[in-house]
Amino acid sequence: DVVMTQSPLSLPVTLGQPASISCRSSQSLVHSDGNTYLNWFQQRPGQSPRRLIYKVSNRDSGVPDRFSGSGSGTDFTLKISRVEAEDVGIYYCMQGTHWPRTFGQGTRVEIK
Amino acid sequence: EVQLVDSGGGLVQPGGSLRLSCAASGFTFSNYWMFWVRQVPGEGLVWVSVINPDGSATGHADSVKGRFSISRDNAKNTLYLQMNSLRAEDTAVYYCARDDTHAQTFDYWGQGTLVTVSS
Repeated sequence: DVVMTQSPLSLPVTLGQPASISCRSSQSLVHSDGNTYLNWFQQRPGQSPRRLIYKVSNRDSGVPDRFSGSGSGTDFTLKISRVEAEDVGIYYCMQGTHWPRTFGQGTRVEIK
Repeated sequence: EVQLVDSGGGLVQPGGSLRLSCAASGFTFSNYWMFWVRQVPGEGLVWVSVINPDGSATGHADSVKGRFSISRDNAKNTLYLQMNSLRAEDTAVYYCARDDTHAQTFDYWGQGTLVTVSS
């Protein structure tokens, strides 16, 4: 299975400051169809996961534009331009290029 | 509005059985692949089972193969997970999730149902 490794695992951030989460895969996530199926999910405390980003950089409807995704091959990044209180939670990357789909360990974002 | 409502979790003894349900609404359930994904408390997410739109094809993670069975009733817009021979390590929150095939990901999740396997 493809191993997804996130860093850091814990990210204390000051309100209004940027945050960045890294996700690395053990194999290239470029599919034979040319797409890269790397996704980001947010899980707020006590809630189920919510998709934020699909195919590296496509934001879901309703996701604030302070969230952005980038990367290629095996290295990917989720950035929050200015962290707000509602962004507290755990963020997971997930690859869908190779079967089975696998998730990173999660990065806990908290307010300093 | 797409809604997935998970139910059926609870406390069960090792070796016991449980059936989870996921009631779907707000979309044409019979058009979508569906998954079960679990999350051990305080840990990450792992896929458990998958089923195709008409129920003719299923798949299970190695950790549950031979013990869990996924099924669906498209007339009732409901997804199921039959869990047998439960072990302590199956303790987790179980989520049903809708597949977004075009993006090879999950686009909607249920609220989850907690399964606790303990004597």
